[in-house]
Amino acid sequence: KAGVTQTPRYLIKTRGQQVTLSCSPISGHRSVSWYQQTPGQGLQFLFEYFSETQRNKGNFPGRFSGRQFSNSRSEMNVSTLELGDSALYLCASTEQGTGTDTQYFGPGTRLTVL
Amino acid sequence: AQTVTQSQPEMSVQEAETVTLSCTYDTSENNYYLFWYKQPPSRQMILVIRQEAYKQQNATENRFSVNFQKAAKSFSLKISDSQLGDTAMYFCAGGGSYQLTFGKGTKLSVIP
Repeated sequence: KAGVTQTPRYLIKTRGQQVTLSCSPISGHRSVSWYQQTPGQGLQFLFEYFSETQRNKGNFPGRFSGRQFSNSRSEMNVSTLELGDSALYLCASTEQGTGTDTQYFGPGTRLTVL
Repeated sequence: AQTVTQSQPEMSVQEAETVTLSCTYDTSENNYYLFWYKQPPSRQMILVIRQEAYKQQNATENRFSVNFQKAAKSFSLKISDSQLGDTAMYFCAGGGSYQLTFGKGTKLSVIP
């Protein structure tokens, strides 16, 4: 099976703009989670979607949002970008999204905010 | 809620030697799994090994094994016969309630 794919791989934006990142899970996986990775804060959970429903959300401002489509593909959106949003954004997929499932990660999208 | 702590920011090991990376965790979950992920310079997060908390037997995956001490809430990773390709960031993570909680990571360098 093909792995988790993320597009685009790299993005450069300026403050105040908005951005949309895309994640395609492994075929058959219904849960997609998003994480933000920065040198200072490490890996932080953003949110998780299962069957088009957000089941869990991390401690991030409302500027961060996401959605999932019927084919399990997911997008996350960041509005009114700030310099501190520069990070590697990772998505991961699992079959059911329970805590006992193994999460398989995509290669990430590197976002740079200038 | 879970917390995961990795107390070794950086480690190094000679090629072919053995190294152990430490991890402690705390959780209120009854059913949880623990994971070690590897992130090489390419930034792709790769699963190394996972441990079911209800199993007493330590997980093993080729050169990688864990020492899972449930009472002590300790979950260390042992890498045997270290190879240059093992050079990477290693993250300990706990799974529960639809999300993973990660430690800060240990940067492992394998020296030729």
